Amino acid sequence: GESVGLHLPTLSVQEGDNSIINCAYSNSASDYFIWYKQESGKGPQFIIDIRSNMDKRQGQRVTVLLNKTVKHLSLQIAATQPGDSAVYFCAENANSNSGYALNFGKGTSLLVTP
Amino acid sequence: KAGVTQTPRYLIKTRGQQVTLSCSPISGHRSVSWYQQTPGQGLQFLFEYFSETQRNKGNFPGRFSGRQFSNSRSEMNVSTLELGDSALYLCASRVFVSLYGYTFGSGTRLTVV
Repeated sequence: GESVGLHLPTLSVQEGDNSIINCAYSNSASDYFIWYKQESGKGPQFIIDIRSNMDKRQGQRVTVLLNKTVKHLSLQIAATQPGDSAVYFCAENANSNSGYALNFGKGTSLLVTP
Repeated sequence: KAGVTQTPRYLIKTRGQQVTLSCSPISGHRSVSWYQQTPGQGLQFLFEYFSETQRNKGNFPGRFSGRQFSNSRSEMNVSTLELGDSALYLCASRVFVSLYGYTFGSGTRLTVV
């Protein structure tokens, strides 16, 4: 079935470097994508979102890129800090006749080393 | 303002028992969704409630049910617990049934022994 997946389960970067987390999706009808960050013992926290009519969206230290041709989504974190260590999930909308639900990827664990 | 509050934070139950989890959404949020998170399956959608009505349902057996009260607080119930029901159950609220403004609680960690 169609699903959202992540290329890498773990990513280790040095403090100050830029991080790139990738996500592949297979549902060509998906028109909305979200990145979430989940720290240990907490629920997912919204980072940034993007609609399918955009290729790029920037936030504070984060950028999301969307390539609809190859169904690929990426999250770039600039100047990665120790507080960025967490699991990152991409999610896509999963429309149904009765409402919306988010279809989440498995997650990428980001470890920032000093 | 207060975030999404889930109670209890931790729960241990025995196979065959039933359990009820509670979620208080952000004030003003009328939509409440529930997700199950496990290491193997990741985050999976259970159901969403708005105005005391179930608006959307994921692919879970009938042992999983929920409800929403007039003050938007929601409960989910799992009957005849199985070992595989051990998971982190997350509640998320938003103002309306849409994709935007999805705020998650910290979850209830359920362990079935």
